Amino acid sequence: AQSVTQLGSHVSVSEGALVLLRCNYSSSVPPYLFWYVQYPNQGLQLLLKYTTGATLVKGINGFEAEFKKSETSFHLTKPSAHMSDAAEYFCAVCWAAGNKLTFGGGTRVLVKP
Amino acid sequence: NAGVTQTPKFRVLKTGQSMTLLCAQDMNHEYMYWYRQDPGMGLRLIHYSVGEGTTAKGEVPDGYNVSRLKKQNFLLGLESAAPSQTSVYFCASSRSPRTGINYEQYFGPGTRLTVT
Repeated sequence: AQSVTQLGSHVSVSEGALVLLRCNYSSSVPPYLFWYVQYPNQGLQLLLKYTTGATLVKGINGFEAEFKKSETSFHLTKPSAHMSDAAEYFCAVCWAAGNKLTFGGGTRVLVKP
Repeated sequence: NAGVTQTPKFRVLKTGQSMTLLCAQDMNHEYMYWYRQDPGMGLRLIHYSVGEGTTAKGEVPDGYNVSRLKKQNFLLGLESAAPSQTSVYFCASSRSPRTGINYEQYFGPGTRLTVT
């Protein structure tokens, strides 16, 4: 079965430091890739997505991600963390069968002042 | 637009009781989904629907049933609740991949269910 792996269930960063969240997926079949963010007691909100075209994708709130086909990865970065970035982040992959998403386990980000 | 709404927001059930979760979307989306979220496991697809009157099983369908009688609504039913069904349930909707290039799913705020 196809799978999505997020390395690290918890990440702690200092305010102003780089945020790097890792996502790898199992299949070499070209997928559609997403990062979602979940703030406490809320639903999921789309941060960014890769469908086709440029492999470096920019999203909301200063986040960006790069699709690397050879590494089957879609890592999420933000150059400078803000306190408001504290949330849980999910990588999700769609292999287009019924538009179904397969999610990674999530990474909870803590931002220290 | 309200987007995707879910009712109720919270519910506590005793083992063996039944209930129905309601999801509604006002974006005229063809596709709708039900997920459950458990710690460390991300979201897992329970059932989904590609259009009014059609449903299909996802990754973890056992113990759940669904119905899509109207395009805007997607109901998730638990006939005999079990403690293993304690979870947060999310509904989502999306445009059809047949008619759009956007595979983004839009999520509701969730329903927290506890089965004792």
